[in-house]
Amino acid sequence: DSGVTQTPKHLITATGQRVTLRCSPRSGDLSVYWYQQSLDQGLQFLIQYYNGEERAKGNILERFSAQQFPDLHSELNLSSLELGDSALYFCASSFRDSLNYGYTFGSGTRLTVV
Amino acid sequence: KNQVEQSPQSLIILEGKNCTLQCNYTVSPFSNLRWYKQDTGRGPVSLTIMTFSENTKSNGRYTATLDADTKQSSLHITASQLSDSASYICVVRGGSQGNLIFGKGTKLSVKP
Repeated sequence: DSGVTQTPKHLITATGQRVTLRCSPRSGDLSVYWYQQSLDQGLQFLIQYYNGEERAKGNILERFSAQQFPDLHSELNLSSLELGDSALYFCASSFRDSLNYGYTFGSGTRLTVV
Repeated sequence: KNQVEQSPQSLIILEGKNCTLQCNYTVSPFSNLRWYKQDTGRGPVSLTIMTFSENTKSNGRYTATLDADTKQSSLHITASQLSDSASYICVVRGGSQGNLIFGKGTKLSVKP
């Protein structure tokens, strides 16, 4: 157990729907990062939050949004889902706001859009 | 363009054998390089992190090397075990914004 908790582990939904993925960072970590990993593709950085504020944005679609709450858990909202959104979504957390420090990944949420 | 290329794309070896995975990058400026192990359907787990000044770093049977001049890194696995079957991902931090740039990984299968 890495200490980073992601729920749900699996999600199956239809095109056009909206889903919310949840991430609880490791105890004491202030930064949360979201990644998308499509089949046989590398991890794609989506967005980072640090202590409740958005810090960095990657290749995140406008249909996707995220937030980090006062208790530091984070949610990734995916709307108007398309078949191509099917992927593994990973969350990682770190103590600091700097990528010079190591960080820890959760086990991911597997999203299947049918 | 900042890129991380890994080779081979996949590799099959027999249990007990050694293997070496390669990572070439064009990221500049360079900050650090990490190797991760990702079991199928699981999150990546960090193996090593190396900065510019580090040439070699070991973690048990895993040894990573870095040549910052040629922008190459390798991950050597000694006496492979069935549990080493996974994808190994090379990640470089750098570029003008200090982002993490992920390679697509090498899928290693260790057979009995």
